[in-house]
Amino acid sequence: EPEVTQTPSHQVTQMGQEVILRCVPISNHLYFYWYRQILGQKVEFLVSFYNNEISEKSEIFDDQFSVERPDGSNFTLKIRSTKLEDSAMYFCASSSYEKLFFGSGTQLSVL
Amino acid sequence: TQLLEQSPQFLSIQEGENLTVYCNSSSVFSSLQWYRQEPGEGPVLLVTVVTGGEVKKLKRLTFQFGDARKDSSLHITAAQPGDTGLYLCAGVGFGNTPLVFGKGTRLSVIA
Repeated sequence: EPEVTQTPSHQVTQMGQEVILRCVPISNHLYFYWYRQILGQKVEFLVSFYNNEISEKSEIFDDQFSVERPDGSNFTLKIRSTKLEDSAMYFCASSSYEKLFFGSGTQLSVL
Repeated sequence: TQLLEQSPQFLSIQEGENLTVYCNSSSVFSSLQWYRQEPGEGPVLLVTVVTGGEVKKLKRLTFQFGDARKDSSLHITAAQPGDTGLYLCAGVGFGNTPLVFGKGTRLSVIA
């Protein structure tokens, strides 16, 4: 069964460093998303991406965040200057219509 | 802002018991989705309910969408240890609004 793959599974970084989280969505899907889940909190929407541009973004998705689909298969989330409060599990998801398929996530720890 | 409240937050039951978890909102959704999330994994879609009053069954799991499309319930019959996990409801808004998650019900089924 096709699946969304995310790398790395764990990322530890120093505060202020840049991180790039990578995702390979399901190949025939058109919509791509990033969500995050802080430990013990709910899954929160960050951004959605369609037709090579951002279609929606939340208040969380400030200027420190950016997304790219550099080569038609990968979908990346970049955090320019990480803060302690960016520590969370970051999930990529893709969909063709309303059914979302989530990756296994990247656990980001900012020290 | 659309909010989904899930209850109970935690539930620990014996194998063979029945249980119901709830997902409530003051907002109307075009549909509601239920996900199950295992530790260290992304949410996996179980079901989507679309029509007010709709009931869907998935083996021992019964999902109901409220008549007003503001709430939903998940009933598990004869729970098994394999049902242990975090159950999340997520609301699909109208138009291109992103999926909104509840905080989840963490279910533990003890053998």
